[in-house]
Amino acid sequence: EIVLTQSPGTLSLSPGERATLSCRASQSVRNSYLAWYQQKPGQAPRLLIYSASSRATDIPDRFSGSGSGTDFTLTISRLEPEDSAVYYCQHYASSPHTFGQGTKLEIK
Amino acid sequence: EVQLVESGGGLVKPGRSLRLSCTASGFTFGDYAMSWFRQAPGKGLEWVGFIRSKPYGEATDYAASVKGRFTISRDDSKSLAYLQMNSLQTEDTAVYYCARDRTAVSFWGQGTLVTVSS
Repeated sequence: EIVLTQSPGTLSLSPGERATLSCRASQSVRNSYLAWYQQKPGQAPRLLIYSASSRATDIPDRFSGSGSGTDFTLTISRLEPEDSAVYYCQHYASSPHTFGQGTKLEIK
Repeated sequence: EVQLVESGGGLVKPGRSLRLSCTASGFTFGDYAMSWFRQAPGKGLEWVGFIRSKPYGEATDYAASVKGRFTISRDDSKSLAYLQMNSLQTEDTAVYYCARDRTAVSFWGQGTLVTVSS
C-alpha cells in the first residue's frame, strides 16, 4: 500500500501570496497517477489536478501541480480568499487508492 | 449536466446492514466505472472501492477496511450504483460519496450520512 504524507498540516497565508503544498509517497507512484482535490466545509471534494500536473476542467491556472516518483507539489499562486479549504492528494496507481491526510489552507 | 445523488443513509445499529444507492444522470452510465468514498466526521477522505463497467467485467476492488463486508454493484438499466454494507461497525460512521470514474474523480455526489450507533 502506498502511504501519502502531506505537509504542512496547516498553512496560513495572505491573499496574493503563493502556497506550496507537498505530498510525499512511501513508494514511487507509477505513471504519476496522482490527483489533488480541494474540499470546503460541507461540500464534496473538487478535482483540481490529475496525472500530477494536468489541470481539471474549469480549474484556474493559479493552480498547478508538479512532481513525479515519490514527491509531488500543488502550487497555488496569487491566493484568493475562496482558496481557503482542505487540500488532499490521492494516488490511483495501484490498489488501494489512498489519500493523504490533508493540508488545511487558511487565508488570513 | 452530470448529476449523482446518493440515498439510503441513516442511523443503524452495529452489526446491521444498510444499502446505499447512487442515482446517476447526465451521462451514459454504462460507459463508466463508479466509485464510493467516505469521510468520517472531522476526518479525511477514504477510498472505499469501485466497480468497473460491463466491458471490464464489472470488476470490483475494495479497501481492506471494508473488504468482505461491503459490496459494490450496479444496474446499468436504471443508472444506479449500490453500496451494500453488512456487519456495520461504529467506525463505519461517515458521509458516503459516490463518484463517477475510478481514477481522478471529477464528478461527486453530495454525500449521504451513515451513523452506526446503538
